[in-house]
Amino acid sequence: DTAVSQTPKYLVTQMGNDKSIKCEQNLGHDTMYWYKQDSKKFLKIMFSYNNKELIINETVPNRFSPKSPDKAHLNLHINSLELGDSAVYFCASSQAWTGAKVGYTFGSGTRLTVV
Amino acid sequence: TQLLEQSPQFLSIQEGENLTVYCNSSSVFSSLQWYRQEPGEGPVLLVTVVTGGEVKKLKRLTFQFGDARKDSSLHITAAQPGDTGLYLCAVRGDAGNMLTFGGGTRLMVKP
Repeated sequence: DTAVSQTPKYLVTQMGNDKSIKCEQNLGHDTMYWYKQDSKKFLKIMFSYNNKELIINETVPNRFSPKSPDKAHLNLHINSLELGDSAVYFCASSQAWTGAKVGYTFGSGTRLTVV
Repeated sequence: TQLLEQSPQFLSIQEGENLTVYCNSSSVFSSLQWYRQEPGEGPVLLVTVVTGGEVKKLKRLTFQFGDARKDSSLHITAAQPGDTGLYLCAVRGDAGNMLTFGGGTRLMVKP
């Protein structure tokens, strides 16, 4: 059973299009995240939600809009896609918002290619 | 400048060799985590260290947190091809649970 599942796994789309990535976790975790991994493999936090409420919104263009309909889901909608948005997007979850030993469980990623 | 500097960035070795990778910072942290990411997959948590000087072992992997809690090392004994992957260190910011990752060490172990 997949703990954190993302769909789709691959997404190829043209510049200017709008697309969504879905994420679901079946771990009963309270907190969910979106990370972006660039071509150099650097992972950067984009958003963090705790109990459906936005906690962190790093410097991300407002073309990116997260939505959390319930604790188990955190979707990412991207408007007016640009070439620079091409990356692998990872969803993750953790048991709690705080705690030194709390680890993240990651999904397997969505590779977005904008052409 | 990144919060966490990992070195080396790339490492290619033969099966059976030993290796050490490093995660350094000028900041002090309450805890540090190591993750391994295989191609096409998300990072997977290996270990969390919380005490300065702490050493944790996971089979052939040995993790150490620096005495001053500013750095950490990962030592692999008798590396195997299955150890191939991207090794990431991560720390939690003062604001709470948000993990900030280092740039990673890409390890390739050749048979």
